[in-house]
Amino acid sequence: GAGVSQSPSNKVTEKGKDVELRCDPISGHTALYWYRQSLGQGLEFLIYFQGNSAPDKSGLPSDRFSAERTGGSVSTLTIQRTQQEDSAVYLCASSPGHINYGYTFGSGTRLTVV
Amino acid sequence: TQLLEQSPQFLSIQEGENLTVYCNSSSVFSSLQWYRQEPGEGPVLLVTVVTGGEVKKLKRLTFQFGDARKDSSLHITAAQPGDTGLYLCAGGFSSGSARQLTFGSGTQLTVLP
Repeated sequence: GAGVSQSPSNKVTEKGKDVELRCDPISGHTALYWYRQSLGQGLEFLIYFQGNSAPDKSGLPSDRFSAERTGGSVSTLTIQRTQQEDSAVYLCASSPGHINYGYTFGSGTRLTVV
Repeated sequence: TQLLEQSPQFLSIQEGENLTVYCNSSSVFSSLQWYRQEPGEGPVLLVTVVTGGEVKKLKRLTFQFGDARKDSSLHITAAQPGDTGLYLCAGGFSSGSARQLTFGSGTQLTVLP
């Protein structure tokens, strides 16, 4: 596609439920990133995929968070047993490879845990 | 932990005024990028700087990379209401894992008509 697509755009879930967030990157971009942004704040790195290499999971805040990228394209971020502190905007970005090219971000998924 | 500090955190100015936003770190950047984010959208890349002392201009926006590659500034001349948004700097570091960007906490700019 022409840009990075994320779905859903908004998600309200009850505490303790599992949620899945989807990211469809720009075709041909080998790198895919997930970040989390709290209200009006900077971005917190979560996880990074590059081609067929093992993902860099160093930013995941707990073992309730996991992500996969199928076929080097679409990625899913899963949060199990959601907590209120998980409420944030989850942003996905893709890049041609080297970080100097910069990221193209999706519009994000706003997650609210009630 | 590699940190990027941005200042000021909030800035509210009148249309036509000039402003400067700063981004600082104790670490050396291999590259630095500036993004602008509007409500409900993801950040959009404005510029990438990679060489110490580099200056790039984008219309009324001037970006400077410090000689030591530890700091950067964004200067806006004659600000307009359309410049309103969250400005984020993001650095790639020479040491450790440089495969993802580290973002600053952002400067929320409001330009009043």
